[in-house]
Amino acid sequence: TQLLEQSPQFLSIQEGENLTVYCNSSSVFSSLQWYRQEPGEGPVLLVTVVTGGEVKKLKRLTFQFGDARKDSSLHITAAQPGDTGLYLCAGARSGGYNKLIFGAGTRLAVHP
Amino acid sequence: ETGVTQTPRHLVMGMTNKKSLKCEQHLGHNAMYWYKQSAKKPLELMFVYSLEERVENNSVPSRFSPECPNSSHLFLHLHTLQPEDSALYLCASSQDGTGGEKLFFGSGTQLSVL
Repeated sequence: TQLLEQSPQFLSIQEGENLTVYCNSSSVFSSLQWYRQEPGEGPVLLVTVVTGGEVKKLKRLTFQFGDARKDSSLHITAAQPGDTGLYLCAGARSGGYNKLIFGAGTRLAVHP
Repeated sequence: ETGVTQTPRHLVMGMTNKKSLKCEQHLGHNAMYWYKQSAKKPLELMFVYSLEERVENNSVPSRFSPECPNSSHLFLHLHTLQPEDSALYLCASSQDGTGGEKLFFGSGTQLSVL
């Protein structure tokens, strides 16, 4: 069974702080997606990383895919209350139908 | 309306009830999915439909019965559920159902089984 482990499970910080969350696996993925889920809503895709070592930036969010395509990280600079939510990573395998492997998520709370 | 719409948003049912969850996508996608989200657990893929044909039934108990009458609509029929089935049920769609595609999720149905 392929597992994606996310850490930390919970993170409570003050506005303006920086943070990094991690997504790790012993399996190789063809690509990896990051979603954010706000209370009462479904997950929304933030980014997809495909190439080992790839770095993508989305405003204050920086996503990195590990060289071996087994792990990924999300770094948020100067967190804001609007960043609050559940951050999910999901690994994809090539070929076949779309069967993403999701992590359990990191729940982030940013306090004013 | 745009995106993926799920109804109802909340559902409370007894163990002997029969109810159905509805999902509709307005994105012109060919693949639709049912996921179960329980607290502190990863999203669990339940069913995948591609062009209205079921391509995955991920060892889901028979008390959950999916139906996909066309590429825009997906139902999950529920009967004789157990309390451990209480969870958020998410519907999603993607363009073709091929590996690594972006998923578009609905807001989910929060189900409580008493």
